[in-house]
Formats: sequence, structure tokens, C-alpha cells
Amino acid sequence: EAGVVQSPRYKIIEKKQPVAFWCNPISGHNTLYWYRQNLGQGPELLIRYENEEAVDDSQLPKDRFSAERLKGVDSTLKIQPAELGDSAVYLCASSLGLAGVSDTQYFGPGTRLTVL
Amino acid sequence: AQTVTQSQPEMSVQEAETVTLSCTYDTSESNYYLFWYKQPPSRQMILVIRQEAYKQQNATENRFSVNFQKAAKSFSLKISDSQLGDTAMYFCAFYPSGTYKYIFGTGTRLKVLA
Repeated sequence: EAGVVQSPRYKIIEKKQPVAFWCNPISGHNTLYWYRQNLGQGPELLIRYENEEAVDDSQLPKDRFSAERLKGVDSTLKIQPAELGDSAVYLCASSLGLAGVSDTQYFGPGTRLTVL
Repeated sequence: AQTVTQSQPEMSVQEAETVTLSCTYDTSESNYYLFWYKQPPSRQMILVIRQEAYKQQNATENRFSVNFQKAAKSFSLKISDSQLGDTAMYFCAFYPSGTYKYIFGTGTRLKVLA
């Protein structure tokens, strides 16, 4: 079974430039998550999708971050414009989406973003 | 607020020895799940082991086992017969049932020495 796929693995941009990350979840997983992981920290949730609906985007900085999951499968996270403080690893995860029970999340390899 | 604390930023262990990583959490929830994830230099977060809070029996997965103390809100990970491939960051995660929200600790960097 293929895991969660993310691209690119690395991205270096100058501040104020736009950047986009792509994620393809495990087949059959309805729930998709985007996390940001700062150096030396655990991941922090940015947004969660159930199918194509963003059901929790309370931690997403909406002035510069946007995300979409148009067909309820793969997803794109965008930053425009990027700031120095956005340098981090952006992780995508997916899960089956089992309401009311533990729903184990499976993570992709992440995209390391460096903003110069 | 629900928090997860990993008090050991770094640890090292000799190959084939046993090491225990600690994790404590703070919650008023009664129904939740706990996880240990491993993140090697490749950055892929890999599920190591999972524990349901309603189960008294400690979870075990091959060389990995947990010591779950619900009253003390403690969830430590024991790695037996450590291997070089166990070198990684280890994150403890707390998951209140039905919230879909993992709360991660800050991680413990484990180095297995040859």
C-alpha cells in the first residue's frame, strides 16, 4: 500500500514569494491534515479536511495561508507571500476518518521550506 | 489546556541495550488515545505504538512496549534490544477521542551507539 506522498521534499524561496505544497493521501482515507513543524518542536495542526470540506482551520493563518482539497483526494497548501518565520517542515497526514473512535494518522515525508 | 511533556530532549543507548523514553500529559478527559511516533532524519513520522486509555493492559509491538499509568498520566516507551535503526526523534502524542486533534510533545532525540 502506498503511503502519503508529498512534493516537493525541499523548497528554498525568498521572502514575499509564493509557494505551494502538494499532498496525496493514502487511498481510501477521507480525512487529510496539514501540520507545521518548527525546528525542535512537535507538529502543530494547521487544517483538517473531511473529504473536500475544511472542518478545522482554526490554526491556519488565513491572511497568507490557503489550502484546498477540491475533489476530496489530493490537497494543496499555499503561502502567499512567504515570511522568514514560515521556514519549517510542512507535514501532510491522512486517516480513514472514523468518527468517534481513535483514528490513527499516517504521515508523509514532509516538505522542508526555507525562506531567505 | 491539554499538554504533553517529554522531559528528555536527548538520550543515547548502546546497541542491544534497553532504553525508556518518558512522556506525561495533562487532561481532564477520560476517553483518549496515546501514541508514540518515530521521526528519523528522513522526516517521515512513523507510528510506533498506540494505547487506548480504557485498556489497562500495556501495548506491545515487538521490541517496543509502553508503561501506561493512567492515574499518574504517564506514558513511557521502552525499546528493548536497541538497534542502530532506532536512532530518531520520538514524539509522544495525545488524542482526545473524537476530536481528530493530536497534541504532540516536543520530542526526544534518541541516538543508538554502535
